[in-house]
Amino acid sequence: NAGVTQTPKFQVLKTGQSMTLQCAQDMNHNSMYWYRQDPGMGLRLIYYSASEGTTDKGEVPNGYNVSRLNKREFSLRLESAAPSQTSVYFCASSEADRGLAHNEQFFGPGTRLTVL
Amino acid sequence: AQSVTQPDIHITVSEGASLELRCNYSYGATPYLFWYVQSPGQGLQLLLKYFSGDTLVQGIKGFEAEFKRSQSSLNLRKPSVHWSDAAEYFCAVGARIYNQGGKLIFGQGTELSVKP
Repeated sequence: NAGVTQTPKFQVLKTGQSMTLQCAQDMNHNSMYWYRQDPGMGLRLIYYSASEGTTDKGEVPNGYNVSRLNKREFSLRLESAAPSQTSVYFCASSEADRGLAHNEQFFGPGTRLTVL
Repeated sequence: AQSVTQPDIHITVSEGASLELRCNYSYGATPYLFWYVQSPGQGLQLLLKYFSGDTLVQGIKGFEAEFKRSQSSLNLRKPSVHWSDAAEYFCAVGARIYNQGGKLIFGQGTELSVKP
């Protein structure tokens, strides 16, 4: 099992460019998440998908869009990248039975994004 | 609103010494509580979780944590630190609310350095 995979691992963008970060999980989990990690701020939730066909905003959704393509895949799109979006992005998945938080979240290796 | 505070941004301990990392949470009831570890350049790995019951929780890699309701804390401990424990440690809280998608709120993280 690969677990949670993310592509790309590294990306450099110019301000105003767009890109999509891809995430896939092979654990048949219902819930998937996108976080960004910035120094001294821990992980902050951008968007999450409690189940296939649903998405909801997290703590810092501005400037991002998401698509839950199917049960396995959850993508994060930056339509017009800004320097403030320079960060490390992590995708995670969880069984989250009945939408409760008691199950472990499994994390991907991250995407390091720099916006110039 | 839920929140998590890790008071120590950076801790340095000598190899073989004991370790305690602090985590305080704010929540109206007993939440789900987690400790994750992140090695440099990697994703997050679950060390342990607390839901209810015994206040002392055993985790992987020789870690344990003690839940203290009166102090709203779940402090992470290890009796003897190894050089390979150098990493960043995150505490997280999840709501006991149905249909919240299993969301977690993370603390700011504590970076652990280990001296030879």
